[in-house]
Amino acid sequence: GQNIDQPTEMTATEGAIVQINCTYQTSGFNGLFWYQQHAGEAPTFLSYNVLDGLEEKGRFSSFLSRSKGYSYLLLKELQMKDSASYLCAVMDSNYQLIWGAGTKLIIKP
Amino acid sequence: GAVVSQHPSRVICKSGTSVKIECRSLDFQATTMFWYRQFPKQSLMLMATSNEGSKATYEQGVEKDKFLINHASLTLSTLTVTSAHPEDSSFYICSARVSENTIYFGEGSWLTVV
Repeated sequence: GQNIDQPTEMTATEGAIVQINCTYQTSGFNGLFWYQQHAGEAPTFLSYNVLDGLEEKGRFSSFLSRSKGYSYLLLKELQMKDSASYLCAVMDSNYQLIWGAGTKLIIKP
Repeated sequence: GAVVSQHPSRVICKSGTSVKIECRSLDFQATTMFWYRQFPKQSLMLMATSNEGSKATYEQGVEKDKFLINHASLTLSTLTVTSAHPEDSSFYICSARVSENTIYFGEGSWLTVV
């Protein structure tokens, strides 16, 4: 079956760095997305990776290794507003999105 | 397994016709469902918020007469694209709110207008 795994919850300190991992097993691969979702709100797009390597966007970076079925989202210089859920989603061979359950990130002062 | 199901996953329709996409919550009731549109390699764009038993709330710039949303039951919301045009071709995703902090997403529906 198709599966996306990411940790349920992580805690980090303001100003620090945190890495949220995502592993996937899907029938085919047409890209991996990371979304940020604050409680009760619509998700917002963070990144899209389809080729191996690191994509950097300001404080956020996303890495992909297709051979390992692995991605991570790296958040630097953490701010309190980064407290949210982070969703990993993979587009499979049928161009359908397979969603992870999300990682709740708690930022402490 | 999926907790929110969309149907059809892929549809092709002729320009000028209407097409309906269904979003169902499985094993739970969803008073609120959301409809999104996603362009290739771009972000999700929220189109509208659908509340059971009431009119949908559309985001700015989304034509409510073109994208008809109906949320007639606690487990089903539908999006009807009326008088479809090729520029309406896109990936449409729904999500359903289980609780204040939990929202599940569907698999998405690909619409191609020819």
